[in-house]
Amino acid sequence: DAKTTQPPSMDCAEGRAANLPCNHSTISGNEYVYWYRQIHSQGPQYIIHGLKNNETNEMASLIITEDRKSSTLILPHATLRDTAVYYCIVRPRIQGAQKLVFGQGTRLTINP
Amino acid sequence: NAGVTQTPKFRILKIGQSMTLQCTQDMNHNYMYWYRQDPGMGLKLIYYSVGAGITDKGEVPNGYNVSRSTTEDFPLRLELAAPSQTSVYFCASSIAGGNTGELFFGEGSRLTVL
Repeated sequence: DAKTTQPPSMDCAEGRAANLPCNHSTISGNEYVYWYRQIHSQGPQYIIHGLKNNETNEMASLIITEDRKSSTLILPHATLRDTAVYYCIVRPRIQGAQKLVFGQGTRLTINP
Repeated sequence: NAGVTQTPKFRILKIGQSMTLQCTQDMNHNYMYWYRQDPGMGLKLIYYSVGAGITDKGEVPNGYNVSRSTTEDFPLRLELAAPSQTSVYFCASSIAGGNTGELFFGEGSRLTVL
């Protein structure tokens, strides 16, 4: 699976958009980009995933560059409850067990 | 639905003791997983299962055993506990052939080995 690089920490003001970058320069054609977050010490929570098109759901938007070597997770109106560690993961979207590899992620702090 | 339920939430073991972490899910998911997370680190896959009676090793299986006798349950057994096994353990499940490949995680079991 391709390796990802994320900044270790970021800050964002409450109510502003939080933009979390992820570099995955070695991504291959069949690999998807997944984002999960982990609030405090809870189990990780799925946010969104994509292949090459931008994606949006009720939680966030995912912007993938045209060359697919990087992506950005956007939380449009960050709240204090969005303070968490955010993990960017790339892996093939194949049938079978989803053996995700979690790096150290980005610790996002939303400030009032 | 309760989702993925793990017990116990906290446990302290002495070196050399054994114990089983319980995990059950009520979503009828075929796939189940055990991860461990050391302080300040990401999650590492210990074992996973693609269905009842089928298990396979993940990235860090040494010192652990699993079984999958039913679709719902996926217990993790620690034999001869060591301080290196002090960690938070997360169980997860996913649906076979699901559109998102989303993993559903439990709340974790915090284990300390002294």
